[in-house]
Order: sequence, then structure tokens, then C-alpha cells
Amino acid sequence: KNEVEQSPQNLTAQEGEFITINCSYSVGISALHWLQQHPGGGIVSLFMLSSGKKKHGRLIATINIQEKHSSLHITASHPRDSAVYICAVSGTETSGSRLTFGEGTQLTVNP
Amino acid sequence: KAGVTQTPRYLIKTRGQQVTLSCSPISGHRSVSWYQQTPGQGLQFLFEYFSETQRNKGNFPGRFSGRQFSNSRSEMNVSTLELGDSALYLCASSLEGSSRVQVLNTEAFFGQGTRLTVV
Repeated sequence: KNEVEQSPQNLTAQEGEFITINCSYSVGISALHWLQQHPGGGIVSLFMLSSGKKKHGRLIATINIQEKHSSLHITASHPRDSAVYICAVSGTETSGSRLTFGEGTQLTVNP
Repeated sequence: KAGVTQTPRYLIKTRGQQVTLSCSPISGHRSVSWYQQTPGQGLQFLFEYFSETQRNKGNFPGRFSGRQFSNSRSEMNVSTLELGDSALYLCASSLEGSSRVQVLNTEAFFGQGTRLTVV
């Protein structure tokens, strides 16, 4: 079993819909990261969370440390949100500061 | 402030050759990590350098090596290339202090990656 599990693997939405991507992890961590990867490869860091909730524009990320679970929400989705969203954790007991990644969620938002 | 710069962006090599990839971190960042991304395996950690020292190493064969210079720029080298080494290689830089708390709660900034194709 992977240390970081994401769901769903693929998600298709209509423009304007509210989107939720989930991430569960099985080890103790110091931080959880949400990343965005567009075709072409570059990765952008969206959020780094240790607790609670963060908001940036239409993006909201939450984490529940006790349940080892995080969610990324996108409100009023837009076709430009189409990308792969990756959950990663850092500071596990065995890995130190390096990132351990989930498999990613491919999001497609249709106009 | 310039972002993380990786060169080259694209590379085609033949089996058996070696390759060197470069990563220039954000100014002031002292930590550089390297990752390999393939369709089958996803993103996997290669190694991490901090102040010219390898601090962490992933589960890759010895053909994969790296180093970091005094200006924090890092290079990774792959010798005796195999077809399976075809991948997107990403580096990430972090601003870290010396305390454990700072190390474990640092945000990573990624480069655009180098896409390596081995033929």
C-alpha cells in the first residue's frame, strides 16, 4: 500500500462546478503539500499545510491530522484549472524533508 | 526573483551514453532535491543536497549520482543510460534553516523539468 493515496484518479467536470480531490496518508508527517502540474511538466506548489485550512483565490485546502486526510477544493471551476493535482507529504518518520507523492488526479474541466 | 532553472529542457540520448542535468535553485535556497517522473512509477525521489552534502538518497541504482556546488547549483548525472531512464527529471529548491522544525516545514519550489528520452 502506498504511503499517500489520492482519489479520484480522474475527474471530469463542467465549468462552474465545485470540485473535491482527496488525499489520505498512512504515516506521521510534518506537512502536506498540494501541487499542480500542467502538460509540459512544470510543477507549481499550491499549498503547504500542517493543520487546519488555507485558501487562495478559488482554491481551498484542508487537513485533518487525526484522520490523516486532506482535501483540495476548487470552487467555480474553469477550463484553465485542467491539470494534474498531486498530493505530497514531507517529514515522515523515515524520509526527513523529502517529498513522497500520491499518484495524482487528472482533472479536466469542460467549457 | 528568478525561479528554479533546469537545463536543458529536452534531451535525446542513446543507450549506453551518460547525461548531466543542471538545476539552479532560487537565490538564497540551499536545499536542492531531484525527482524522476515516469508514467508507470509516478514521481520518485532521487536525492537531496544541502550545503554541498547529500542529505538523503532514494532507491535508485548507483548509475544515478549528483552533486551540489558552493553556489547551491546542483547537477545530476546518469551513466550507462537505459531505455527505462526516459523520464521527466524535476528538481526542487527549498529555503531551509538549521533547526529540525525549519527543515521539516519548508516549501518546495519546482523547476520546469528536463525531459530525457533514451533511444
